[in-house]
Amino acid sequence: NAGVTQTPKFQVLKTGQSMTLQCAQDMNHEYMSWYRQDPGMGLRLIHYSVGAGITDQGEVPNGYNVSRSTTEDFPLRLLSAAPSQTSVYFCASISDGTYGYTFGSGTRLTVV
Amino acid sequence: GDSVTQMEGPVTLSEEAFLTINCTYTATGYPSLFWYVQYPGEGLQLLLKATKADDKGSNKGFEATYRKETTSFHLEKGSVQVSDSAVYFCALKDTGNQFYFGTGTSLTVIP
Repeated sequence: NAGVTQTPKFQVLKTGQSMTLQCAQDMNHEYMSWYRQDPGMGLRLIHYSVGAGITDQGEVPNGYNVSRSTTEDFPLRLLSAAPSQTSVYFCASISDGTYGYTFGSGTRLTVV
Repeated sequence: GDSVTQMEGPVTLSEEAFLTINCTYTATGYPSLFWYVQYPGEGLQLLLKATKADDKGSNKGFEATYRKETTSFHLEKGSVQVSDSAVYFCALKDTGNQFYFGTGTSLTVIP
């Protein structure tokens, strides 16, 4: 099925570890984003990309890196995990703003 | 800057009750407005949208009208079902494809 695929679905990290959350879409969307969802805070934008080779920071970029080498893939890297990064992470893509985002099913990350 | 404010939850209704979830926005320019729904353990799904003033978005019995004069986009449904239990997010998209989400309103419908 066409859409946004995120892996893994669940992950537990120890403080200081690094990891990459994967995101891939097969809809040829140019615009992709990473959000984190925390209770009572809605969704906050971490990083976004308007196309291959172009990325920019969102509202809460500290502690995260992204790259966009292809249109399909937009991985999110946690450089040195901290308990404050415990959250649910969503990747989303959009082709035309009038149609809204397509979201992945999320990655639930716990940092201990 | 642009922002969205939506009604605090949680909201608990009996089946077949009328639902309203309030959403107001602040924006420069002419944003598009959206309602998303999130079922437990899943990502957000687009429920409905409106791209200009006075547009009405509708889907699955839900409706919302883009009111520029009151900067509102309230979500309504005439008769809720247990299967409507979810978290609902109001969102706006500015002219640069940036989205701004509300904090979400949890709805529980009891039989």
